[in-house]
Amino acid sequence: AQSVTQLDSQVPVFEEAPVELRCNYSSSVSVYLFWYVQYPNQGLQLLLKYLSGSTLVKGINGFEAEFNKSQTSFHLRKPSVHISDTAEYFCAVRIIQGAQKLVFGQGTRLTINP
Amino acid sequence: NAGVTQTPKFQVLKTGQSMTLQCAQDMNHEYMSWYRQDPGMGLRLIHYSVGAGITDQGEVPNGYNVSRSTTEDFPLRLLSAAPSQTSVYFCASSYSWTGRQETQYFGPGTRLLVL
Repeated sequence: AQSVTQLDSQVPVFEEAPVELRCNYSSSVSVYLFWYVQYPNQGLQLLLKYLSGSTLVKGINGFEAEFNKSQTSFHLRKPSVHISDTAEYFCAVRIIQGAQKLVFGQGTRLTINP
Repeated sequence: NAGVTQTPKFQVLKTGQSMTLQCAQDMNHEYMSWYRQDPGMGLRLIHYSVGAGITDQGEVPNGYNVSRSTTEDFPLRLLSAAPSQTSVYFCASSYSWTGRQETQYFGPGTRLLVL
């Protein structure tokens, strides 16, 4: 079975500061990795995904994530955040073979302070 | 395209009542799924479908039924609601059920309170 751990439940940062949201996963088989964002009172939107190839993945809204196989991590970063980045962020995995069953982490609430 | 739509947006039920959460997509997607979101637990898969007439259980299926009679619709039924089913429910879909490049599209969610 797969599992995902997001190491911080809440991350407060000041506007224009850099941010890193941490995600570790566990799986006995190869997986694809995802980051989703949920703005207040909305559904989830895909930020970025790692399927294969370059371990640095760029997504929407200036976010990027780095896949580290040896540390089984997929941390999300942004060099300078904006108030509009206030949201909940979810890391997720799915196994490469078979149906698209996503396994999500617990979520990290990112709060941007002016 | 309307994308993935869910109705109702909000619902309050009493313990023991039944109801159906509706999910529809107009993108001709093969794969559809239901998740529940609870504080501190992320999203957990309830049931999924890889095509009309084919459904399977996810991580937390107990207390929920599904069916998929058409490609477009994937309703989630609560036969006898319990307070433990108070949650936010999300429906999601993607074009292919195995595709490597596939992205799952999520609906806006249904907030359910069971008293």
